[in-house]
Amino acid sequence: AQSVAQPEDQVNVAEGNPLTVKCTYSVSGNPYLFWYVQYPNRGLQFLLKYITGDNLVKGSYGFEAEFNKSQTSFHLKKPSALVSDSALYFCAVRATNDYKLSFGAGTTVTVRA
Amino acid sequence: DTGVSQDPRHKITKRGQNVTFRCDPISEHNRLYWYRQTLGQGPEFLTYFQNEAQLEKSRLLSDRFSAERPKGSFSTLEIQRTEQGDSAMYLCASSSQGQGIDQYFGPGTRLLVL
Repeated sequence: AQSVAQPEDQVNVAEGNPLTVKCTYSVSGNPYLFWYVQYPNRGLQFLLKYITGDNLVKGSYGFEAEFNKSQTSFHLKKPSALVSDSALYFCAVRATNDYKLSFGAGTTVTVRA
Repeated sequence: DTGVSQDPRHKITKRGQNVTFRCDPISEHNRLYWYRQTLGQGPEFLTYFQNEAQLEKSRLLSDRFSAERPKGSFSTLEIQRTEQGDSAMYLCASSSQGQGIDQYFGPGTRLLVL
């Protein structure tokens, strides 16, 4: 079985401040890890993924994430948040020998001007 | 590349009616997935096709749900005798051959059962 936990329902930050959205996972074997963003009444947009290699992954719109195998975490980060980053963020995991994604419950990010 | 498209975008129906949703994947993507997202939750896997073969179904997919991908291109998801608990966003995604690691999602079909 595979699962994802996003411990924070909401994250609030001021524009220009660093943004962190937390994610921990559970999976048998090595994971593929993903972050998606969802705007109201829209589908999911891919931000970044970890497959193998460098633990620090860079993605779209200035986001990055750090894979930590010992802590089974994959936290999303952005050094300087923008108001336009306000959205719902989902972490997802799949096993390397599977195809279906398991998602966390999501974290709502609000960036205030 | 026009992305994954879904039709309709919104559907309101009365309890007990049947509904059918369509998903057109990115061309030449041989894998297609259906997920369901209820309010306040992340998407949950429903089923997965490789070409026209339905390879896996979640236990969430009750016998009122049926999915097809007859020619390995577009897919349909039908819900028979809809219930209020079926109200959700139904998301379709596709991925390419090989490892097909990246799943590209469509805009979703939002279903409201009255």
